[in-house]
Amino acid sequence: GDSVTQMEGPVTLSEEAFLTINCTYTATGYPSLFWYVQYPGEGLQLLLKATKADDKGSNKGFEATYRKETTSFHLEKGSVQVSDSAVYFCALSGDNDMRFGAGTRLTVKP
Amino acid sequence: GAVVSQHPSWVICKSGTSVKIECRSLDFQATTMFWYRQFPKQSLMLMATSNEGSKATYEQGVEKDKFLINHASLTLSTLTVTSAHPEDSSFYICSARGRTGGGETQYFGPGTRLLVL
Repeated sequence: GDSVTQMEGPVTLSEEAFLTINCTYTATGYPSLFWYVQYPGEGLQLLLKATKADDKGSNKGFEATYRKETTSFHLEKGSVQVSDSAVYFCALSGDNDMRFGAGTRLTVKP
Repeated sequence: GAVVSQHPSWVICKSGTSVKIECRSLDFQATTMFWYRQFPKQSLMLMATSNEGSKATYEQGVEKDKFLINHASLTLSTLTVTSAHPEDSSFYICSARGRTGGGETQYFGPGTRLLVL
């Protein structure tokens, strides 16, 4: 069945460092791909998405490109801030259901 | 590792009937549970947030009388779709947040597909 494999955390970075969180997927068909973020004490929020191959989702300085050839959707940000500290979930949505990665906790230190 | 289960995994019912979906945290205590609804190839939509022993907080536009949520214990939350209609057909996902050995974290259930005929 469909599945998502996400880079394990936790990840600790200094402010202004470059961030990459890896995400690969296995799916039949052509799923949509998502990154969700959960800030401390809050529910899940959609960060960005891509619905077809080569699409790039972007929001708040974060980017991820739907790579069909490598079945990947890695999350990147060029310069992280303390306020980016949160848990990030990669997810895919196919024809029948939705699958989530295990989540990666990011801590950004000043 | 921590696991969240949902039951049933899929259900077909007639219009007008009520359907109950259970969400259980299997090896940790979930202080907060979230219920989401999802349509094919679309993002999740948060329906409500529930804390153990208190009433659920519903998102704007979600009918609390139609989608009854009970979080009776630290390991169980239920979503009851009352008087279901075909437009309620969807994929429902729960998520449980609590403390495990690695600190506070959140896990997702496998989802329940509801088809209302």
